[in-house]
Amino acid sequence: AQTVTQSQPEMSVQEAETVTLSCTYDTSESDYYLFWYKQPPSRQMILVIRQEAYKQQNATENRFSVNFQKAAKSFSLKISDSQLGDAAMYFCAGIMGSNYKLTFGKGTLLTVNP
Amino acid sequence: GAGVSQSPRYKVTKRGQDVALRCDPISGHVSLYWYRQALGQGPEFLTYFNYEAQQDKSGLPNDRFSAERPEGSISTLTIQRTEQRDSAMYRCASSTSSVSETQYFGPGTRLLVL
Repeated sequence: AQTVTQSQPEMSVQEAETVTLSCTYDTSESDYYLFWYKQPPSRQMILVIRQEAYKQQNATENRFSVNFQKAAKSFSLKISDSQLGDAAMYFCAGIMGSNYKLTFGKGTLLTVNP
Repeated sequence: GAGVSQSPRYKVTKRGQDVALRCDPISGHVSLYWYRQALGQGPEFLTYFNYEAQQDKSGLPNDRFSAERPEGSISTLTIQRTEQRDSAMYRCASSTSSVSETQYFGPGTRLLVL
């Protein structure tokens, strides 16, 4: 079975500070892809960042970066210089092996305080 | 349009009625997915199309749910004899191919069954 776990239901950060959202996953597959999606109050589902398991280098997209620890099956998201517009529900998700289904965690609600 | 579009954005219906939810994927995307998201949860897979072929419908909860994509582009998810437990956000996503490719989501259809 493939699972994605987000253990932090809620997090908060001060504007301009850095926050890290945690995610762990479990799969027996050697080939997989991991994602972070953002769901703002509008309830759109927006891709934040993607990581291929075969890549050792951590993915980065502007202020967003991941810490991918393959042995520990951990995939955390770091948001630097947090902005008010970063406030949203963040979902960690994965596509495992030759599967095409995205498996999602339960999400972490991020609040950004001015 | 540049992104995945879904219609209607909101649908309120009475128990026992049939509803049809439409998804228009990103142009050129051959793979299309339907997910359902309950409040406070991550999306869960319903069904997957590659071109016009429905490759996987294992996530459809029962035989009241069906989906089609007759010309390999627009897809319709139909729920017959709706029940209150069908109330949720229904999301469509598309990708350039299936395995490993990033799935881009539409804005969703929020369904409320009274």
